[in-house]
Amino acid sequence: AQKVTQAQTEISVVEKEDVTLDCVYETRDTTYYLFWYKQPPSGELVFLIRRNSFDEQNEISGRYSWNFQKSTSSFNFTITASQVVDSAVYFCALSEANQAGTALIFGKGTTLSVSS
Amino acid sequence: DAGITQSPRHKVTETGTPVTLRCHQTENHRYMYWYRQDPGHGLRLIHYSYGVKDTDKGEVSDGYSVSRSKTEDFLLTLESATSSQTSVYFCAIRRGASSTDTQYFGPGTRLTVL
Repeated sequence: AQKVTQAQTEISVVEKEDVTLDCVYETRDTTYYLFWYKQPPSGELVFLIRRNSFDEQNEISGRYSWNFQKSTSSFNFTITASQVVDSAVYFCALSEANQAGTALIFGKGTTLSVSS
Repeated sequence: DAGITQSPRHKVTETGTPVTLRCHQTENHRYMYWYRQDPGHGLRLIHYSYGVKDTDKGEVSDGYSVSRSKTEDFLLTLESATSSQTSVYFCAIRRGASSTDTQYFGPGTRLTVL
């Protein structure tokens, strides 16, 4: 069965620290996609990245980077030089190509608090 | 901005009353979804639609029904609200023709059932 685990419930850092959010997934499908969403205190869900199961290249976007490793079924998210505006709940999610409707399977989220 | 609105944004109701939440999109996407978000559970799928009058159940569909009579509107109905349905409800659209294209979410509806 498909599953997404975000073992870190809450993380607190001080501004300018680097922080890594862990995501481990389970799937029997060979074709799947992984996502990260950000939910700031205002409550909306903001899409950050989508990655397919055939592309293990790491991705960098500004201060954000993602490390996808199929060998460990992980898709970790690193924020470099964190800022107060990064404070949010971050969700990792999985979508399987063969699943009807292709709903997203979410992890329970990691709450990141960045203090100044 | 994915062109998704939800109404109402906040609602307080009493146990046993019917409640309908509306999701409206402006971009003509075929797939629409309803999720609920609860502390400690992340987001879970309630129902989804793959076209006008075409809907299917998700993981937590008990106590909910949906309807889609127009491409742009996807309604979620709680026939007889219970306190366990107190939650934040998110609508999403899938942008793209591929089954694994990205889902974009509406602003959410906070529902409290007393």
